[in-house]
Amino acid sequence: NAGVTQTPKFQVLKTGQSMTLQCAQDMNHNSMYWYRQDPGMGLRLIYYSASEGTTDKGEVPNGYNVSRLNKREFSLRLESAAPSQTSVYFCASSERGNSPLHFGNGTRLTVT
Amino acid sequence: QKEVEQDPGPLSVPEGAIVSLNCTYSNSAFQYFMWYRQYSRKGPELLMYTYSSGNKEDGRFTAQVDKSSKYISLFIRDSQPSDSATYLCAMIPNAGGTSYGKLTFGQGTILTVHP
Repeated sequence: NAGVTQTPKFQVLKTGQSMTLQCAQDMNHNSMYWYRQDPGMGLRLIYYSASEGTTDKGEVPNGYNVSRLNKREFSLRLESAAPSQTSVYFCASSERGNSPLHFGNGTRLTVT
Repeated sequence: QKEVEQDPGPLSVPEGAIVSLNCTYSNSAFQYFMWYRQYSRKGPELLMYTYSSGNKEDGRFTAQVDKSSKYISLFIRDSQPSDSATYLCAMIPNAGGTSYGKLTFGQGTILTVHP
């Protein structure tokens, strides 16, 4: 049982480049989330999707866009990467809003 | 002041010790409480999920919630070197709407269990 799968695992971008982080879950969960984790800042919510067809901003949405492609997949796009977006990005899913989250193993992104 | 405070440690204990990890919070709306374990270069893994005040036990792990004091704890009995990881507390309000899915995490406590 794969759970939450994120691709790629690592990525290096130059300032101004764009990329999409992919996430898929096989637990038939309704809700999906994107977090970033930075030293000293902990885990911060970027965007979430309560259900298929809806997306909403979290705590730190600037510079990102998301797409809930279907119930399984939720992607995060950086249109013009900045060094401040160097971070570890985690995708997570949950059955509903107050259910525990299940996380993927992250994408380590470096923007130079 | 942060909504959730967690001592970052690091905490170093000998194998077999009882470990106590703690978080305090300020938002009385928090109703669901979780503990996650995160190994280096991995995603957080759910350990415990509780709703009400009191204790919940799962193997060597016991989660304790005291809503009146706004204090939660995770106890690890007979700690093992494989328990060495970062432990994160997390909590979420009961209501939907703007609080939907918005877990608030502690900063994490780094634990090392040495043989």
